[in-house]
Amino acid sequence: QLQLQESGPGLVKPSETLSLTCTVSGGSISSSTYYWGWIRQPPGKGLEWIGSIYYSGSTYYNPSLKSRVTISVDTSKNQFSLKLSSVTAADTAFYYCARVVLMLSYDAFDIWGQGTMVTVSS
Amino acid sequence: SSELTQDPAVSVALGQTVRITCQGDSLRTYYASWYQQKPGQAPVLVIYAKNNRPSGIPDRFSGSSSGNTASLTITGAQAEDEADYYCNSRDSNGDHLEVFGGGTKLTVL
Repeated sequence: QLQLQESGPGLVKPSETLSLTCTVSGGSISSSTYYWGWIRQPPGKGLEWIGSIYYSGSTYYNPSLKSRVTISVDTSKNQFSLKLSSVTAADTAFYYCARVVLMLSYDAFDIWGQGTMVTVSS
Repeated sequence: SSELTQDPAVSVALGQTVRITCQGDSLRTYYASWYQQKPGQAPVLVIYAKNNRPSGIPDRFSGSSSGNTASLTITGAQAEDEADYYCNSRDSNGDHLEVFGGGTKLTVL
């Protein structure tokens, strides 16, 4: 069964870069059927899509975060990663990675990692 | 970018039927997907492609769509259905861009 697991520092200083990795197990990240995405959720608030990537490296970013976000993929390690630069306290959130089904008439985040809490603080 | 609007909170008596709605221009083009999130847990997909349930999701969960509104219906709500529910669709303004609704807190009385 496919599983996703986020990893990375739980504490990041303001103005620095947040870096997280999502490891995919039980299946290949190189599947042509799926994209892979990052979503975040500030404590007590709603979900915010950050961006998605295809195994070929094609990326799509939330316009509100685009200037600070880089998502990359490493097919040899079955991983994809998130970098968010110039972080502030507003970037404190649970960060989730997820598999994304993209079809003509709908999209769906069908499998999620357990999430990891990242706090931005000095 | 597009927006999806949900009522912040809805309540239902145990065993009764409840409808949670999601409104947005993107829903005229794309079907919504729906996610259930319980405290301290990751979201779980419960409905996709208008009215399809992933394996393991009870059949009391169903979806529908009309115009710019998508709905998630729980027929015979159970205590374990108390959770936050989020809708999501592709953004109608750009390829492969995604948008989430603000979420609805469902209370089962």
